[in-house]
Amino acid sequence: EDQVTQSPEALRLQEGESSSLNCSYTVSGLRGLFWYRQDPGKGPEFLFTLYSAGEEKEKERLKATLTKKESFLHITAPKPEDSATYLCAVRGELSFGAGTTVTVRA
Amino acid sequence: DAGVTQSPTHLIKTRGQQVTLRCSPKSGHDTVSWYQQALGQGPQFIFQYYEEEERQRGNFPDRFSGHQFPNYSSELNVNALLLGDSALYLCASSWRAGVNEQFFGPGTRLTVL
Repeated sequence: EDQVTQSPEALRLQEGESSSLNCSYTVSGLRGLFWYRQDPGKGPEFLFTLYSAGEEKEKERLKATLTKKESFLHITAPKPEDSATYLCAVRGELSFGAGTTVTVRA
Repeated sequence: DAGVTQSPTHLIKTRGQQVTLRCSPKSGHDTVSWYQQALGQGPQFIFQYYEEEERQRGNFPDRFSGHQFPNYSSELNVNALLLGDSALYLCASSWRAGVNEQFFGPGTRLTVL
């Protein structure tokens, strides 16, 4: 059974204070690791797909990396608009972690 | 280009009732998946429809059923509602089952009293 664990559960950052979110996974045959951003009361918004260890993807202040056991989402110089819950998921059907809620204070 | 749309936005039902939720996929997508998200949790997979058939199912009872129409839109039906069915129900669409990234709709907030 696929298992996804995200840490920390919550992260409070000062504007400009870079940090990283962790997603550890156990899956038989990785067919993709996905990062989503979710704002309160809304559906998840797709950010990245990673398929193989060593792969990296970037979008604005976000950078996702992948190893054989975990993925990291790095937030560089965050702004208040980066405040959201960040979810990672692995393929078969998407098995999601519980998410990391990021709050960025101005 | 319209994204994934869901209706209704909010719904209030009482225990024992039945509910139908609707989803229209993103243009060009042929696969629809449904998820249940309880407060503070990640989405939990219910089932996936492709070519009008249920292709995969998560650990949900038979009270949860679905349908996909020839235009790729989909319905989620829940019978004999329980208080624990209160959640945000999310629909996601993709091109081809099990291959590509899924794009989510805004969700339907179901409250069971």
